[in-house]
Amino acid sequence: KAGVTQTPRYLIKTRGQQVTLSCSPISGHRSVSWYQQTPGQGLQFLFEYFSETQRNKGNFPGRFSGRQFSNSRSEMNVSTLELGDSALYLCASRATVVSNSPLHFGNGTRLTVT
Amino acid sequence: DQQVKQNSPSLSVQEGRISILNCDYTNSMFDYFLWYKKYPAEGPTFLISISSIKDKNEDGRFTVFLNKSAKHLSLHIVPSQPGDSAVYFCAASAPGGGADGLTFGKGTHLIIQP
Repeated sequence: KAGVTQTPRYLIKTRGQQVTLSCSPISGHRSVSWYQQTPGQGLQFLFEYFSETQRNKGNFPGRFSGRQFSNSRSEMNVSTLELGDSALYLCASRATVVSNSPLHFGNGTRLTVT
Repeated sequence: DQQVKQNSPSLSVQEGRISILNCDYTNSMFDYFLWYKKYPAEGPTFLISISSIKDKNEDGRFTVFLNKSAKHLSLHIVPSQPGDSAVYFCAASAPGGGADGLTFGKGTHLIIQP
């Protein structure tokens, strides 16, 4: 099975711009989560989608949004970029949300805001 | 307020010996715990998990121990191999199938010395 695929791998944007990141989950996985990793804060939960619905959202401002399509692929959008948004954005998928199941991560998108 | 803490930023172990990575948590609602391994420029890879109804789970060279009364878990790797050199993250989730996402520690960099 192919793993979680994230595109692009690297992205450089300017303050004030917006960005869209893409994620394709493992085949058969209907849940997609997004995490932000920074040196200071570590890995932090952004949101999880299941069947095109957002289940929950972490403690991030409204500039961070996402969506999930009927084929389970997901996109994450960050508007009005700030320097502090520079981070590794990781997407993860899992097989079920009704019980504990591990997340499987992609290799991330490295976003640099200048 | 760090709910999952990995107090050792780095750990050096000789090849062939046992590596013990530790993790403490403060939220007594956590009921599912996971360990991930991360190489540079890659996403975290799931290693092993444990439910709060157990106190031990084993998978090959990896064993996770959970001490609920002490709110402590540890990952044992025996024997340690050069390919085990990576950053290890401890993570936890609360009941509800992880709807609030995983809470991660900041990681321990394990270095296996030849």
